[in-house]
Amino acid sequence: GEDVEQSLFLSVREGDSSVINCTYTDSSSTYLYWYKQEPGAGLQLLTYIFSNMDMKQDQRLTVLLNKKDKHLSLRIADTQTGDSAIYFCAEEKTSYDKVIFGPGTSLSVIP
Amino acid sequence: DADVTQTPRNRITKTGKRIMLECSQTKGHDRMYWYRQDPGLGLRLIYYSFDVKDINKGEISDGYSVSRQAQAKFSLSLESAIPNQTALYFCATSDPVGQNTGELFFGEGSRLTVL
Repeated sequence: GEDVEQSLFLSVREGDSSVINCTYTDSSSTYLYWYKQEPGAGLQLLTYIFSNMDMKQDQRLTVLLNKKDKHLSLRIADTQTGDSAIYFCAEEKTSYDKVIFGPGTSLSVIP
Repeated sequence: DADVTQTPRNRITKTGKRIMLECSQTKGHDRMYWYRQDPGLGLRLIYYSFDVKDINKGEISDGYSVSRQAQAKFSLSLESAIPNQTALYFCATSDPVGQNTGELFFGEGSRLTVL
């Protein structure tokens, strides 16, 4: 997905916070998403944010949206080894009515 | 049982062979998609269908074709497989964004290796 950019790798120690960043291109997107892919599995929606929100918190997850800079971030508090996975940022392309994914960030949690 | 089922889960084939990947869903969604995953490239959309009579090309449709046999079934074909089509393929379904959040529901993937 050339329209959505994110770093490919992140390594954190267990118990620390993880922050995964993403930039997107479509300022008219209604929804922005974070999907999680565990090893050997398909993607599952982790969380999403509506475009008129700046922040969304869901237990250990905090999503921040900066529409001016088209920047989305996912913070995972108290990162656990079970959080090791690939995290995909995705934007809904309103004009094309489909979802475009970034390349995915592989999160490694060191015990 | 999984809501979105893909078959086969793994397939090894030779260059020039015809391959079909099948997807069926019990979500009742009209919208179905085929994505391809390559390391470092994320998921790229191959084809998508918004209902039984609707087929649309995605960003990388060359070398692929699809068939929407029913609301619940969407198959992807490689008429003459080539090695650079070696990848992990995902089928997904969704409601329209206007009806819901547009969440995509994915199958577990079909790993295809073309020798």
